[in-house]
Amino acid sequence: AQKITQTQPGMFVQEKEAVTLDCTYDTSDQSYGLFWYKQPSSGEMIFLIYQGSYDEQNATEGRYSLNFQKARKSANLVISASQLGDSAMYFCAWGQTGANNLFFGTGTRLTVIP
Amino acid sequence: DAGITQSPRHKVTETGTPVTLRCHQTENHRYMYWYRQDPGHGLRLIHYSYGVKDTDKGEVSDGYSVSRSKTEDFLLTLESATSSQTSVYFCAIRSGLHQETQYFGPGTRLLVL
Repeated sequence: AQKITQTQPGMFVQEKEAVTLDCTYDTSDQSYGLFWYKQPSSGEMIFLIYQGSYDEQNATEGRYSLNFQKARKSANLVISASQLGDSAMYFCAWGQTGANNLFFGTGTRLTVIP
Repeated sequence: DAGITQSPRHKVTETGTPVTLRCHQTENHRYMYWYRQDPGHGLRLIHYSYGVKDTDKGEVSDGYSVSRSKTEDFLLTLESATSSQTSVYFCAIRSGLHQETQYFGPGTRLLVL
């Protein structure tokens, strides 16, 4: 089975600062996608950002960017200018292109401090 | 908003009883999924569907069955619930510019006593 590793169970960041959440993956596949989801305390899973394995540029969506280092098999999420509403669990996921299963990491709980 | 609803949102049941969770979508998506979320495991795929009456097993399918008789509804059944099936269950659909992207429903919190 594919393995997705999020080594930071919890992170703290000061409001308005940037924070990086780590994610590494283990695969021998060449074509795949990487995803980040946010889960606030209310429980829903919110899609944030996608990176394809063949994308040459790092993905960005507003204040979210994905620092993709293919050779290192890492897909870190960078949140710029943190806001109190960013406090949540963040999950990294991996999926083979065209396949149906997304494999999720165990998550990182981010707390934004005012 | 991917137009996904799940029912019930919360359920408490007893060991050995059958339980059916419903996922309903309004946007005619072909692919639908059931995941469970447990502490320390992230989300894990139970079953998925790629069309009406077309389903397949995921990573943790033992003890679960699914049915899809209409495009909009995907049902997850626990034939005889066990305490190990206490979990939060998420339904998802696949959509968007990047075809692998899955969008999730609000979740169902199930407690098996």
